Formats: sequence, structure tokens, C-alpha cells
Amino acid sequence: DTAVSQTPKYLVTQMGNDKSIKCEQNLGHDTMYWYKQDSKKFLKIMFSYNNKELIINETVPNRFSPKSPDKAHLNLHINSLELGDSAVYFCASSTRTGNNEKLFFGSGTQLSVL
Amino acid sequence: DAKTTQPPSMDCAEGRAANLPCNHSTISGNEYVYWYRQIHSQGPQYIIHGLKNNETNEMASLIITEDRKSSTLILPHATLRDTAVYYCIVRGGNAGNNRKLIWGLGTSLAVNP
Repeated sequence: DTAVSQTPKYLVTQMGNDKSIKCEQNLGHDTMYWYKQDSKKFLKIMFSYNNKELIINETVPNRFSPKSPDKAHLNLHINSLELGDSAVYFCASSTRTGNNEKLFFGSGTQLSVL
Repeated sequence: DAKTTQPPSMDCAEGRAANLPCNHSTISGNEYVYWYRQIHSQGPQYIIHGLKNNETNEMASLIITEDRKSSTLILPHATLRDTAVYYCIVRGGNAGNNRKLIWGLGTSLAVNP
């Protein structure tokens, strides 16, 4: 019954490795997001896709590549992991009703780069 | 930068009302006020939003001042499970980059028994 699910919940890896985080939503939403929450707890948007099309791409290193095979999935692949990539990554989805948009978040993936 | 300012922390006794203030003095006419909360180790959760009228739902009430420069989120009967970080965010109603939510550090609410 989980609306927005992301896996894995915890990811511990070495610097230089490549890893992926998967996200799926069963809410029928058209838009999905990736957010990063750093150690200071700031939540910053990274990417947003609407119907599989990239609509928001913040200043994120090229090592981060989102992929949306369909509108229910938005995966995040990270190449050549660095220490500074350690954070909690949240997937979210949303739908709009007029000018209103509510975000539904997953429970997060805690990435630790050693 | 976030367009809102909130106190970093607040305390509330269980069963009492929790009133969380938010200043958004530079809010534009088409920007909504959204409130989310984040319970420890979970993703943020939508609470309520409004434009200029006061709003109420099953979780909370939102009181927006007439000049729209500030608002208050009210949890009428706080429980221990309401302990969380509460984020007040303003967001434009247009598509594109106005849809990005800019998150501040929020207010860490501790509900005490």
C-alpha cells in the first residue's frame, strides 16, 4: 500500500563506486522528483520529471543521472561516488489540481560514502 | 534562499494547541503558503496550504493574516506523534520553475508529555 517507495533504505559504499536508487509511485501521479537532504537538514530539489520528461534540473553534477522508464518510476544513478554525496535522498511525486500541488514523499535512502 | 522565516524550535504540552508562526513578508499575490512536516527518519508529509483564506482540514488549521505577510499553523490538540520539524513554504501557482519548493530549516516542534 506504500504510495511512494524507494529502495534501498540504506546504502553504504566506497568512494568511486557507481550506485542506483530506485523509486516507484502507485498514486497515478504525472510528476516525480528527487530531493537531497544534507547533514544540515536542508532539503534541496535535484530533478523533476513530468510524464517521463525532464522539467527541472538543478545545478547537480553530471555524475547524477535520473532515468524515468515510465511515469510511475524515477530512478537515480550516481557515478563515481564522492564523500560529499553522503546524504538522505528522497523521491517524491505530485499531482496538480488547478494551481495547487501536493508532494508525496518516500521514506528516504540514506547514502553513506566511505 | 527560502522566502519564509520560522523560529528554529518550539515546545508544546501534550493535549494543548501548538501554534507555529511563519513570516513571509515578500510573498507575491499568486503565491500559496504550504506547510509540510518531517517526523524523524521519515519523508516530509503534506499538512495544509492556503492562498488568503483560513483553511482547516483533519490535521490542522492555517490562519493567514489579511496582508498575507505571515501565517500560523495550528495543531489543535498536539500529541506526542506530532513531534516533528514543520516547514512553511511559499510557492508560485505557475508551471515551470515556480513549482520548485524552496525549503528552509523549519521549526522543530517538541510535544512534551
